[in-house]
Amino acid sequence: RKEVEQDPGPFNVPEGATVAFNCTYSNSASQSFFWYRQDCRKEPKLLMSVYSSGNEDGRFTAQLNRASQYISLLIRDSKLSDSATYLCVVNTNRDDKIIFGKGTRLHILP
Amino acid sequence: NAGVTQTPKFQVLKTGQSMTLQCAQDMNHEYMSWYRQDPGMGLRLIHYSVGAGITDQGEVPNGYNVSRSTTEDFPLRLLSAAPSQTSVYFCASSYASGERYEQYFGPGTRLTVT
Repeated sequence: RKEVEQDPGPFNVPEGATVAFNCTYSNSASQSFFWYRQDCRKEPKLLMSVYSSGNEDGRFTAQLNRASQYISLLIRDSKLSDSATYLCVVNTNRDDKIIFGKGTRLHILP
Repeated sequence: NAGVTQTPKFQVLKTGQSMTLQCAQDMNHEYMSWYRQDPGMGLRLIHYSVGAGITDQGEVPNGYNVSRSTTEDFPLRLLSAAPSQTSVYFCASSYASGERYEQYFGPGTRLTVT
């Protein structure tokens, strides 16, 4: 099993719809979890951290399920500007090595 | 406050040439790292540093050297460039305190080795 796995997509979603991605991780000792956003030919940027209790930032909600070893990202009322690749990131806090998933491509359609 | 800066933005090398990719940050972060990003492979860690004078290997260190003489700078050296090193290289610096974590990436260096 890969350390961090994501559905590569692409997810083609009409504007205004709700879309959700999951990301699974293999190391049960993983401690920190994040979602990054990467636009074409740009650097990744931190979208949000994923806390044990789940967290919400505007239209974005992140959840952590430790028992099933996955994290999720929900985007409500999607905008054209949400089109990007979303990277799942896991940190085992062991030597501070951070593992990136390969990303899920999202296309919001007008 | 410039964040993380990388130079050059683009570079073309011939096989066997050497060069140094520069990375600097002005946020006083202890932790810095280098990644390469290839199509279908995602971001892979090359080398990282947890503070000045301390470096360690990541997932794909072969063919690259790093040093960390200051907190601000973390250059990546390609010893003898190979076509397999054609990639986009990102430098990052990060800060962690308790549950709070922030990692910032530079704009990337697009390297082509012919």
